[in-house]
Amino acid sequence: NAGVTQTPKFRILKIGQSMTLQCTQDMNHNYMYWYRQDPGMGLKLIYYSVGAGITDKGEVPNGYNVSRSTTEDFPLRLELAAPSQTSVYFCASSYGPARYEQYFGPGTRLTVT
Amino acid sequence: GENVEQHPSTLSVQEGDSAVIKCTYSDSASNYFPWYKQELGKRPQLIIDIRSNVGEKKDQRIAVTLNKTAKHFSLHITETQPEDSAVYFCAASMDTDKLIFGTGTRLQVFP
Repeated sequence: NAGVTQTPKFRILKIGQSMTLQCTQDMNHNYMYWYRQDPGMGLKLIYYSVGAGITDKGEVPNGYNVSRSTTEDFPLRLELAAPSQTSVYFCASSYGPARYEQYFGPGTRLTVT
Repeated sequence: GENVEQHPSTLSVQEGDSAVIKCTYSDSASNYFPWYKQELGKRPQLIIDIRSNVGEKKDQRIAVTLNKTAKHFSLHITETQPEDSAVYFCAASMDTDKLIFGTGTRLQVFP
């Protein structure tokens, strides 16, 4: 099992550009999450999904969109990138809700200049 | 909503000493408290967790204690080793779909 994979690993965007961060898991997990990690700020939940076709906002959803058409994939879309979106983005998945272990992907380091 | 505060933000200890990281949560309905470890440049990984019906849980050199009355929980690492150097995150959940994470503690263990 590859677990949770993310692409790309690094990306530099110009202000106003758009991009999609890819996340795939092969553990047949229903729950998937997107977090951003800023220095000294911990992990902030952006969006999450409890199953294919179902998504919901987390703590910091503004400027992002998600979709969940399959169990395996949970892409994160950034529209009109801003410097405040410079961060490390982690995707995670779990078998069940919050009390189940979350398995994280390797992360995507995004810089918006 | 739930808020989790974590202290200290950095912690330096000598190899072999103990380390303690403390977290405080705001919502008394929270009932699940995991700890994640993130080594430099790596992804976070679960190291131990505790549920609200338990006061303490141990796994070799690490332990977590929970005080529901005071709404705080702590991670204890004994006989620290250089490989314990990492950022540690606490989190809390109210039996919902989401975890709320603390801001992290950078632990450095010096040989």
